[in-house]
Amino acid sequence: EAGVAQSPRYKIIEKRQSVAFWCNPISGHATLYWYQQILGQGPKLLIQFQNNGVVDDSQLPKDRFSAERLKGVDSTLKIQPAKLEDSAVYLCASSFNTGNNSPLHFGNGTRLTVT
Amino acid sequence: AQSVSQHNHHVILSEAASLELGCNYSYGGTVNLFWYVQYPGQHLQLLLKYFSGDPLVKGIKGFEAEFIKSKFSFNLRKPSVQWSDTAEYFCAVNARDTGRRALTFGSGTRLQVQP
Repeated sequence: EAGVAQSPRYKIIEKRQSVAFWCNPISGHATLYWYQQILGQGPKLLIQFQNNGVVDDSQLPKDRFSAERLKGVDSTLKIQPAKLEDSAVYLCASSFNTGNNSPLHFGNGTRLTVT
Repeated sequence: AQSVSQHNHHVILSEAASLELGCNYSYGGTVNLFWYVQYPGQHLQLLLKYFSGDPLVKGIKGFEAEFIKSKFSFNLRKPSVQWSDTAEYFCAVNARDTGRRALTFGSGTRLQVQP
């Protein structure tokens, strides 16, 4: 089966610019996650979707970050405006549902550098 | 909220040496426990998981982990490492007694196996 697709792989922007990342989960996966992984740290959850609804966005910096999954399939994560501390790898993951027997599948991530 | 601590940030071993990576979690309720691995240039992959039952779980590539509830620990072990085990290893947890299935990750341990 095709894995979780993310684009772009790399992005370099200047601070205060805007950027968007795209994720296409595995076909049929209802649950989608966006994680932020800063260098030297583990992934940190930004937002979790169940179909097109938000389950958890408690750690999403809503003043600058937004995400949507309008049709319950692919998703975009946007940062506007970017700060230096947003430099990180942004990981998308999906799972069939939220049950125990539904492991997370991760994409390769988008590496963002803010200068 | 859950938290995960991984004590070893960088481990260097020779081939055939035994491996043990520490993981402790903090949460008052029931948890599911996971180890993920990220090989250089690849996405995060599930190594093994514990939901319930036998606290000693076996995963892929000869890895195993033991859940010790009294110590809030889920250490990863392998009797004899290979050069191909060079990767970053992440311990993760989610709370079983809530609807949240998103994973909370530790900061990771970088394993370098020297031939």
